[in-house]
Amino acid sequence: DIQMTQSPSSLSASVGDRVTITCRASQGISNSLAWYQQKPGKAPKLLLYAASRLESGVPSRFSGSGSGTDYTLTISSLQPEDFATYYCQQYYSTPLLTFGGGTKVEIK
Amino acid sequence: QVQLQESGPGLVKPSETLSLTCAVSGYSISSGYYWGWIRQPPGKGLEWIGSIYHSGSTYYNPSLKSRVTISVDTSKNQFSLKLSSVTAADTAVYYCATPSDYYDILTGYYLGDAFDIWGQGTMVTVSS
Repeated sequence: DIQMTQSPSSLSASVGDRVTITCRASQGISNSLAWYQQKPGKAPKLLLYAASRLESGVPSRFSGSGSGTDYTLTISSLQPEDFATYYCQQYYSTPLLTFGGGTKVEIK
Repeated sequence: QVQLQESGPGLVKPSETLSLTCAVSGYSISSGYYWGWIRQPPGKGLEWIGSIYHSGSTYYNPSLKSRVTISVDTSKNQFSLKLSSVTAADTAVYYCATPSDYYDILTGYYLGDAFDIWGQGTMVTVSS
């Protein structure tokens, strides 16, 4: 099984801050990584796929990068609507899928 | 536009079987690709439960494999989840979801798939 480890598990930030979340896979996943945003009481929303490709309609302040086992999600300028929990998910081992543990972005 | 809607009992007794259905609208479930179940215990992260492909092939999370069955009912355009011998640890919001394929616009290279369509989720509590 491929394990996905996200860090930090939570962070506090202010509007306008640059935020970076890290996701590490237990083995190389060749950019087969998606990022999701989840707000309380709502289903997750796809933000990026293939590690760095922005899903249609997602603001350009979201970006992704990485390779091999290490990947990052960056929010260039945090907006009020971005306070949420973010999850990475690998699909390298499709059909077996795994999510990271999540990173909660809170208001400082 | 594809839409998913989960339904099923909100309360299940310990040791019994949890049964949920995901109704699909806007797309024929037998036309292609795959359909998945994901759950989220209160205050915790997402856990992939399993998926069923349009071919009928099923794949399950190894940690749940002995208790999970996912099936499709093409006549009703829906797919279902059964989780047996439930305990309090199975209390969670259960989501159904389906992915889209993604390709590089310039090269046509296949980039993989990701869950872009989700149901709203349904809370299931395991308690006597």
